Amino acid sequence: GENVEQHPSTLSVQEGDSAVIKCTYSDSASNYFPWYKQELGKGPQLIIDIRSNVGEKKDQRIAVTLNKTAKHFSLHITETQPEDSAVYFCAAVTGTASKLTFGTGTRLQVTL
Amino acid sequence: DAGITQSPRHKVTETGTPVTLRCHQTENHRYMYWYRQDPGHGLRLIHYSYGVKDTDKGEVSDGYSVSRSKTEDFLLTLESATSSQTSVYFCAISVAGPNEQFFGPGTRLTVL
Repeated sequence: GENVEQHPSTLSVQEGDSAVIKCTYSDSASNYFPWYKQELGKGPQLIIDIRSNVGEKKDQRIAVTLNKTAKHFSLHITETQPEDSAVYFCAAVTGTASKLTFGTGTRLQVTL
Repeated sequence: DAGITQSPRHKVTETGTPVTLRCHQTENHRYMYWYRQDPGHGLRLIHYSYGVKDTDKGEVSDGYSVSRSKTEDFLLTLESATSSQTSVYFCAISVAGPNEQFFGPGTRLTVL
């Protein structure tokens, strides 16, 4: 089955700096890659996603890139703000399995 | 939380007792999922449903059963709770399979 690895497990950046979280996946048939943000005591919230026919997608300060050859994808947050502090999860879907496999999460802390 | 409620939000129970968690949606979405979240493991799929009375197992289904008799409700049952089932349980819904899943607020279950 699919295996998703996520790095780093914790990340601390200063307000205004950029943050990058990286994930790798094992199944070359995976075709959908969402990113979730989870704040303390809440459920994960879908913040951006990318499909395998696209290399990059942006939404304001958030972008995701996908390298199918290397089987990795990354979340980029620019101009970080304190409200970006949360745990971020990547995930991958393999068409044949039709299930989401999650990474283990990255705790992002944005310091003033 | 995308029209999803989970009940109860917190529960403490004893080993060997049955427990049922409820997920209710107001979106009339076809697909519903149950995940558990544990430190170091991210979110792992327990069971999912692709329609009324249509369910299938996820990667950690042992010790759990589910039922879906109405579109809006998806029940997760622990027939005989064990301490290893202490976790936070999340329900998710989607329109079209594993893509674009939206999560509920979660249920924190403690088995003593």
